[in-house]
Amino acid sequence: GDSVTQMEGPVTLSEEAFLTINCTYTATGYPSLFWYVQYPGEGLQLLLKATKADDKGSNKGFEATYRKETTSFHLEKGSVQVSDSAVYFCALIFVPGNQFYFGTGTSLTVIP
Amino acid sequence: DTGVSQDPRHKITKRGQNVTFRCDPISEHNRLYWYRQTLGQGPEFLTYFQNEAQLEKSRLLSDRFSAERPKGSFSTLEIQRTEQGDSAMYLCASSTGTGFNQPQHFGDGTRLSIL
Repeated sequence: GDSVTQMEGPVTLSEEAFLTINCTYTATGYPSLFWYVQYPGEGLQLLLKATKADDKGSNKGFEATYRKETTSFHLEKGSVQVSDSAVYFCALIFVPGNQFYFGTGTSLTVIP
Repeated sequence: DTGVSQDPRHKITKRGQNVTFRCDPISEHNRLYWYRQTLGQGPEFLTYFQNEAQLEKSRLLSDRFSAERPKGSFSTLEIQRTEQGDSAMYLCASSTGTGFNQPQHFGDGTRLSIL
């Protein structure tokens, strides 16, 4: 069935380090792909999205490219900040079926 | 934009009792979603509404669960005869439009604990 597999955490990085959080998916069609973020004490919020193959979503210095050939949507940021410390969730929405799947989340801690 | 509001924030109840949660979406949002999240896991989709119509239900939504959105505004999620396994955070989200590419705005959730 459709699913999302996300890199396990927790991840601890020093400020200004490069970040990659891996996300791969299994789907029988062509889903839309998302990254959501949950900052400490806050609700989930959309970080970026891509709706078709080769699309690149970007926001707040984060990027992810929809790779159909590798069924991946890895999240990257060139230089992380302490304020990026949060839990990151990869998600896919597959239509038809109208089902929504989230990964298990990856906790990121950035230390000064 | 006052955000998605969920009530109560916490609910503690004994096994076998019924519980009801409420979600007030962002006012102009016509879509409303319910999710369940357990510790260390991502949100699991339960159901969603387009206005007052419930258009999709997950296999996770057993017969003990029922959701309504009678006037296309707020929604309630009821769990009957609660079980230990129902302990989780219940999240509500809302979005605009008729497609699925619009961002979902999440509430802070209702944490349910079954004694």
